[in-house]
Formats: sequence, C-alpha cells, structure tokens
Amino acid sequence: EAEVAQSPRYKITEKSQAVAFWCDPISGHATLYWYRQILGQGPELLVQFQDESVVDDSQLPKDRFSAERLKGVDSTLKIQPAELGDSAMYLCASSLGTAVAAFFGQGTRLTVV
Amino acid sequence: GQQLNQSPQSMFIQEGEDVSMNCTSSSIFNTWLWYKQDPGEGPVLLIALYKAGELTSNGRLTAQFGITRKDSFLNISASIPSDVGIYFCAGPYSGGGADGLTFGKGTHLIIQP
Repeated sequence: EAEVAQSPRYKITEKSQAVAFWCDPISGHATLYWYRQILGQGPELLVQFQDESVVDDSQLPKDRFSAERLKGVDSTLKIQPAELGDSAMYLCASSLGTAVAAFFGQGTRLTVV
Repeated sequence: GQQLNQSPQSMFIQEGEDVSMNCTSSSIFNTWLWYKQDPGEGPVLLIALYKAGELTSNGRLTAQFGITRKDSFLNISASIPSDVGIYFCAGPYSGGGADGLTFGKGTHLIIQP
C-alpha cells in the first residue's frame, strides 16, 4: 500500500543547532504539505508545494525555517537555528490536488534541549 | 483565518456504546475530512466528504456533511477498544491562494472496558 515516508522518526537536538527532516510523498501526488503539531493541538500548516513550487508558506517562520522540493518529488524541511519552542511533531502529507483528502506520514518527533 | 471547533473535547465511554462528535466552522467549507490519530503516529484518513448533505460510511463509522456547509458530524457505532485515539476534523484552508487543510483541536476518545 502506498504511503508517505518520513525520516527520521525521532530527533533530539540542542538549541541553536540545525535540523532537517525528509519526506517522500505517495507516488504521483503533486501536492505536498508540511505541518507542525504541538502536543494537544491539531496539525498546523507550515508550507504547501504544488510540484516543485511553493504555493503557501504564509505560516512558515522564514527567519529560521526553510523548505524545498527541488524535483517536485521528495521534500526537506530545515530549521536553523532550532529553538526550544520548536519541539513538536512535524508531519508531511501529500494529495493528488488541493482541497482533497491528504495522506500523512508517521511524522518526526523533534525535541529541542 | 478559518476556525474549526470540535466538540466534545474528550469522551469517556463504555465499550459497545455509540459515539457522536461534531465540528463547526466559521465559514463555508466545500470539503470535510475526518482523521484519527494514535499516540506518536500521523493522522489516518477515515472519511472524506465533498458534497453538502452527503452521508458516508466506513465500517462502523458514519460521517455527514452538514447542509449549511459549516458543520460535519462523525458517529461511531458499537465502540471497541481500538477506537481509542484522537479524532480530528479538517477542511480546506484558504490562505496565500492555496488550499491546505486546517484542523480542529480534536476529540479525545477514551473507552473504559
């Protein structure tokens, strides 16, 4: 069964260090999302790609976060420098298009110490 | 931005009971999605609704797209222990010209044996 792959599953980093997360969407899915989920809350959209283009990064803290999807397939989300408040679950999702069901990966649990 | 309000926030029920939860939005949605999330995992899509008034089932789960387009309901019949988890509603988020998903804060379902 096709699924969204994310790595690593868990990451512990010290504050001020750089950290990166990787996502491989379901094959053929043009739309890719990165979400952040704080414990006890629903996921919040950080950035949305359509193929290799960013179509919405209005909620991405651009002073420290960056995201890319160079070939329109897999994607990387980077944080530099990490802050204590960045501790959260980072979820990647993909869909065939916009405004339709998105499928999520297992997420990366980030702990900043 | 759009707000999604889920209720109840948590439910404590006995195994075998039926469950009902709902989600309301501050604006009209054209898509309603229901997800279930287990601890430490990504959300899993349960049901997708694309038409006002639509009633869709997935096993013991039934969801409805409200005719006002501002609400949706999820029912679970004859609950079993594996139904434990957090249930999220989600709909298209209109920001920056894109349609990511905005999520409610979730309904935490706890089943007592």
